[in-house]
Amino acid sequence: AQSVTQLDSQVPVFEEAPVELRCNYSSSVSVYLFWYVQYPNQGLQLLLKYLSGSTLVKGINGFEAEFNKSQTSFHLRKPSVHISDTAEYFCAVSGTGFQKLVFGTGTRLLVSP
Amino acid sequence: EAGVAQSPRYKIIEKRQSVAFWCNPISGHATLYWYQQILGQGPKLLIQFQNNGVVDDSQLPKDRFSAERLKGVDSTLKIQPAKLEDSAVYLCASSLGDRGYGYTFGSGTRLTVV
Repeated sequence: AQSVTQLDSQVPVFEEAPVELRCNYSSSVSVYLFWYVQYPNQGLQLLLKYLSGSTLVKGINGFEAEFNKSQTSFHLRKPSVHISDTAEYFCAVSGTGFQKLVFGTGTRLLVSP
Repeated sequence: EAGVAQSPRYKIIEKRQSVAFWCNPISGHATLYWYQQILGQGPKLLIQFQNNGVVDDSQLPKDRFSAERLKGVDSTLKIQPAKLEDSAVYLCASSLGDRGYGYTFGSGTRLTVV
């Protein structure tokens, strides 16, 4: 079974500052890793995913994440945030079969002017 | 490409009443999921279908929740009778079934049980 820990429930940051949202996972098997974003009253939108290959993954809206197998981490980063990035961000993991996504509890990113 | 359609968007019911949610996945997507997202928590899988067969329903409270996916397309999730703790957003998602290619989520149904 897999599990995900998002250490920060809320991250406040000023506009144009860099941000890192932390995600650690636990699994006894090989995994796929995902970051989703959820805007108020909307469903989940895929930001990026790691399946294999390069450990640095680039996604939409200028976000990127780095898979670190030794530290079992998949932190999300953006060099310069915008007000419109204010949302809830979920890290998720699945096994490499037809398996369910297991989500973390989410990190609320609050971008202020 | 049309997305995953869910209805209704919002529903308010009294405890002990029944309620049903509907999901229409993306055309051709063999795998369909129902997730429950309680306020302040991440989504939790309730049930996973592959075509019209159940793959995983280990976290579905079967004494009150039921789901079906007739003909391997649309799906319905039902709660009967509802409890206060069932207040949540119910998200439907679908995927081609290819491993690791992620899901497409619907906008969800927000259920409030009073």
